[in-house]
Amino acid sequence: AQKVTQAQTEISVVEKEDVTLDCVYETRDTTYYLFWYKQPPSGELVFLIRRNSFDEQNEISGRYSWNFQKSTSSFNFTITASQVVDSAVYFCALSEAGYGGATNKLIFGTGTLLAVQP
Amino acid sequence: DTAVSQTPKYLVTQMGNDKSIKCEQNLGHDTMYWYKQDSKKFLKIMFSYNNKELIINETVPNRFSPKSPDKAHLNLHINSLELGDSAVYFCASSQEGNMNTEAFFGQGTRLTVV
Repeated sequence: AQKVTQAQTEISVVEKEDVTLDCVYETRDTTYYLFWYKQPPSGELVFLIRRNSFDEQNEISGRYSWNFQKSTSSFNFTITASQVVDSAVYFCALSEAGYGGATNKLIFGTGTLLAVQP
Repeated sequence: DTAVSQTPKYLVTQMGNDKSIKCEQNLGHDTMYWYKQDSKKFLKIMFSYNNKELIINETVPNRFSPKSPDKAHLNLHINSLELGDSAVYFCASSQEGNMNTEAFFGQGTRLTVV
């Protein structure tokens, strides 16, 4: 069965600290996609990254970086030098590729609320 | 230009009423979705449509009926609203249904049933 676990319910850091948000997933498929979305206090869902199961390279985008490790079924997200504007709920999500191009769904984790204090 | 737009943003209504939420995307995507976010922020898919055809119906009560007049629109109609329907409903779209591309979400509709 598909499942995404974000064990950290809430994290509070002080500005400029580095913070890592954990994500562990379960799937029986060999082809799948992993995502991170940000939900700021205004409520919209903002796409951050998509990673397919065949690409284990880590990715860096500005202050954001992602560590994908298939051996531990983890797709962790690190924010370097956090800022108050990073305060949001962050969701990790999984989608399996399916067969014949069938439409698939995002399975979301329960989210991690990140509070960055000034 | 807003890529995925939902209306209304807020909806307050009484139990037993029927209401609709509209969603439109101008990205030219083939697949559209409805997700529900409950009071604990948990997000779960309700429906997906691909080129106006229903693909996923995730055991949602039949009081919820999606309607897709064309591939750019996916509206959600809810009959006989109940208190438990209070949630934020998100519309989304993606280019390919197999999630090879990311899903873009609307800003959400906060439904409050009183």
